[in-house]
This record gives sequence, structure tokens and C-alpha cells, in this order.
Amino acid sequence: GAGVSQSPRYKVAKRGQDVALRCDPISGHVSLFWYQQALGQGPEFLTYFQNEAQLDKSGLPSDRFFAERPEGSVSTLKIQRTQQEDSAVYLCASSAIWSLGNTIYFGEGSWLTVV
Amino acid sequence: DAKTTQPPSMDCAEGRAANLPCNHSTISGNEYVYWYRQIHSQGPQYIIHGLKNNETNEMASLIITEDRKSSTLILPHATLRDTAVYYCMHASGGSNYKLTFGKGTLLTVNP
Repeated sequence: GAGVSQSPRYKVAKRGQDVALRCDPISGHVSLFWYQQALGQGPEFLTYFQNEAQLDKSGLPSDRFFAERPEGSVSTLKIQRTQQEDSAVYLCASSAIWSLGNTIYFGEGSWLTVV
Repeated sequence: DAKTTQPPSMDCAEGRAANLPCNHSTISGNEYVYWYRQIHSQGPQYIIHGLKNNETNEMASLIITEDRKSSTLILPHATLRDTAVYYCMHASGGSNYKLTFGKGTLLTVNP
């Protein structure tokens, strides 16, 4: 596709429910990133993939958060037993191959509200 | 974490140049400076990046000081659609892949 595509665009989950957020990166992009953006704040790094390998997951806030990219293309961010503090926009981004000077392209985000 | 300092807000008249400053005193020699912007309810949009030379593209110009401790993003003819939060960053992490967003500068372009 022309850009990074994320779905669902909006999700309302009841507390305790599991959610899965999908990211389709730009075709051929090797690097994929997930960020979390709380209301009124800048995006915060969650995790980074190069192809199917998750090279950095240091930003995941708890073990309820899990990300995968099994075939090196589409990625899913899963949140188990959602809590109200998980309410945020979850942004996916991709780049051709991450090296200094490469551009990261962001999707529109998945807006998660936990009630 | 890679830290940058930006003013929280700025105003600019439509049609005039908008000059957005950023301090990045902790930048290391091989790190690029990146600028993104975020219009309400949208994902961050890439604007420009540079290492040490000034850069220009169809959206903006980037002026980096010789010591690389600060930079200025210039929107030469601001329009109402340029109203957004502008983020200045430099990458961090072992392979310099991690962009650390701060709070950015809310630029309001006034008619």
C-alpha cells in the first residue's frame, strides 16, 4: 500500500478484555516500530522489529503487552487484560532499513479506549 | 534517552516564515536530527532530517549549528494547515533507531 495501515482505527474495550491491533507496513519495509501516545503527550517507543526479529522490546510497559511479526511483514500488538491506563493511541511505523538517516513513516494510529 | 528542548508553543502569521528552534546538546557525532509534525488526530508526519549540513526539501529547511547542539526548522511560507505540534529529535539506542519524542512545539498559524 501507499502508507502504513493500521486497524482497527478505533477500539473500545472493557477492562479485562484482550485486544489485538494490526499494522500493515509499507511494502518491502524491513524495520517496524510500535509507539504509544497518551493524550497530550508525545509518542513513546514500545518495540522494534527488523524483519521477523524483535530486536528491542524495552518500551513495552508490562508483560500484558506482546508484539509479533511472524513473517516479517504484518505485525500485531496484543494487550491482555486491558486496564484503563492502557487507553492511548498506538502508532505503528516502518522504514526501508533502519540506518542513520532513513525515514520512518507512521500510520494514523489505533485509538484504544478502555472502559 | 535522547533529550531535546523546544519551546512549548509559538505563533506565526499566515504567509510568513515560521522558525522553530530546538536544542539538542546531547547529540553524538553520528546521530541525525529529525523533525516530525503531528496534526491533531493524525500520525506523526516526517518533515526533514540532517546530520551537519543545512537541508532543504519541498516542505521545509533545516539549519544546524556548526557545533550541532541546536537547529532551526524553517517553514518559509506558513499556511493554516501547518498548525501542528512539531517534534525535534535525534535517534538513540545501540543502532540509533529509537526516536524519542518530547512534548514538541505547538505552532499555531493565524490568519
